[in-house]
Amino acid sequence: SQQGEEDPQALSIQEGENATMNCSYKTSINNLQWYRQNSGRGLVHLILIRSNEREKHSGRLRVTLDTSKKSSSLLITASRAADTASYFCATLTETLVFGKGTKLTVNP
Amino acid sequence: EPEVTQTPSHQVTQMGQEVILRCVPISNHLYFYWYRQILGQKVEFLVSFYNNEISEKSEIFDDQFSVERPDGSNFTLKIRSTKLEDSAMYFCASVRGTGALYGYTFGSGTRLTVV
Repeated sequence: SQQGEEDPQALSIQEGENATMNCSYKTSINNLQWYRQNSGRGLVHLILIRSNEREKHSGRLRVTLDTSKKSSSLLITASRAADTASYFCATLTETLVFGKGTKLTVNP
Repeated sequence: EPEVTQTPSHQVTQMGQEVILRCVPISNHLYFYWYRQILGQKVEFLVSFYNNEISEKSEIFDDQFSVERPDGSNFTLKIRSTKLEDSAMYFCASVRGTGALYGYTFGSGTRLTVV
């Protein structure tokens, strides 16, 4: 399976700190995407990084991709309480396959 | 910002009954998807739909499931005879073009409870 596996499963930090979540996958991919899900709600697309890209930024988000290690990381800088959510990586080959997610809690 | 709209937000049904979950994708999007998420578990791919036909489906998407785009705007998922294990959040998504270039836009989901 090419599904992503996030690490850690849960992360609790203080407001203002940075949060780093990692994702590993098993097969070659077209791209890797990160999504956010607030409890019981839909998934919100955050950022897409193509297999030929190594780093991408969007606001307070920074994503890296290392295709040789089949891994990606999502960094959220200067976290806020409103960033509390589950974060999923998803890998695209024929279909978009989601990992199990990291539950991030940002304490005020 | 354009949204994917799903109705109903919550559906309770008796085991063995048929349910239809409805989705209105973003109007200029071309690719449509259904995913499901059993409580506490990961988001699972069910089916993708392009050019009025199924392009990919997972092992979950067996003969009990079907999809339709009856009128060029709605995109429906039908479960013919629901089982208890079909209880989950069902998410519809659409993409403007190939997913190689664009992220998916998801709806807020339909929580299906089979009793």
